[in-house]
Amino acid sequence: DTGVSQDPRHKITKRGQNVTFRCDPISEHNRLYWYRQTLGQGPEFLTYFQNEAQLEKSRLLSDRFSAERPKGSFSTLEIQRTEQGDSAMYLCASSLAMVHGTDTQYFGPGTRLTVL
Amino acid sequence: SQQGEEDPQALSIQEGENATMNCSYKTSINNLQWYRQNSGRGLVHLILIRSNEREKHSGRLRVTLDTSKKSSSLLITASRAADTASYFCATGQGSWGKLQFGAGTQVVVTP
Repeated sequence: DTGVSQDPRHKITKRGQNVTFRCDPISEHNRLYWYRQTLGQGPEFLTYFQNEAQLEKSRLLSDRFSAERPKGSFSTLEIQRTEQGDSAMYLCASSLAMVHGTDTQYFGPGTRLTVL
Repeated sequence: SQQGEEDPQALSIQEGENATMNCSYKTSINNLQWYRQNSGRGLVHLILIRSNEREKHSGRLRVTLDTSKKSSSLLITASRAADTASYFCATGQGSWGKLQFGAGTQVVVTP
């Protein structure tokens, strides 16, 4: 399978714990996005990378959230001191942004986080 | 905040019927994309329409875009039970970059 992969698929944690999610984009895709989706809503943008550079962060991304994409390949999203309001599906997407084109974002299966 | 709003929120049809859903958005866009999401799973890209295009087809899908009304529609013809899913429109302000999604239309196709 050469699609976007995410790990783990499900995570249950207790309030106050730290969690880390991983996303492996489609090979050679230079852009990687993180979104968060709560029940009954569409995904909301969190942040994105072009190669290893983090180009934009949403105001939704509080100081407890940090994302990295070392070497421009896989990415990690860490949430520190989790709160019940962090419970959501965290989606990763990747794309090949070309100078004269519009990139299509391909999504992974998501990581469902439940904070107890 | 979400850019788009889909209408209706839910749609129930029988196999073979057509399904139409609409998306309205607030600000100028570069492109509009439609995605499908099966329950609890990731999103699958269906079709992208650029702001200078008015209509696109892909298989049983037909998308229209009216930038003067800031609206788009997705038509699924001859629906199948496998089309049961949530459908989201997403807008892009630039050629690339973040997408802003609506809340989705939940479609149920009964055999």
